Amino acid sequence: DTGVSQDPRHKITKRGQNVTFRCDPISEHNRLYWYRQTLGQGPEFLTYFQNEAQLEKSRLLSDRFSAERPKGSFSTLEIQRTEQGDSAMYLCASSLAGGVDGYTFGSGTRLTVV
Amino acid sequence: QQQVKQSPQSLIVQKGGISIINCAYENTAFDYFPWYQQFPGKGPALLIAIRPDVSEKKEGRFTISFNKSAKQFSLHIMDSQPGDSATYFCAARLRGQNFVFGPGTRLSVLP
Repeated sequence: DTGVSQDPRHKITKRGQNVTFRCDPISEHNRLYWYRQTLGQGPEFLTYFQNEAQLEKSRLLSDRFSAERPKGSFSTLEIQRTEQGDSAMYLCASSLAGGVDGYTFGSGTRLTVV
Repeated sequence: QQQVKQSPQSLIVQKGGISIINCAYENTAFDYFPWYQQFPGKGPALLIAIRPDVSEKKEGRFTISFNKSAKQFSLHIMDSQPGDSATYFCAARLRGQNFVFGPGTRLSVLP
């Protein structure tokens, strides 16, 4: 297992289009998190899953955003009707529930909405 | 109360010098304080972390100092190297939940 994998690495889309990102966590990690990071800022929490259950969603996660984690393995984050303000790096991280360590982050998906 | 404040925003240090980055928080329910290092185009990577019952933790050239009463913690990078040039984020975890990140410090170590 080489860590948290995210796909694609980069996505350029036109405003109004839908986009979907995928995250494959470390296999033994049961928690999966999505964060958003804009230029010059720290990551901001969007949502997290424990196994297949979505346990928390940030107010940042508008109705246009939806995340799933079927079967408690990989996760997808979909943004519908993208806006220019959605341009950011979308980071996925995983951890063990009750684990003593911090997250392991993936390399992120850089979204540019034009 | 959920925020973590971080300073300075950017830092330039000569090779071999000491880099110091400071963070402050308000919420006493935070129970875990990691530092992350991020290189351009990469996700943040866990560098070192501390719990509030410990005042200092050292791992190689990296040391966290934690002042529980002042609700402050800092990262010290000894013998800074050009390869340490990156953005550093402090973070705080709210009792087993998600992390709150500081805005980051861009460190440049001059050769």
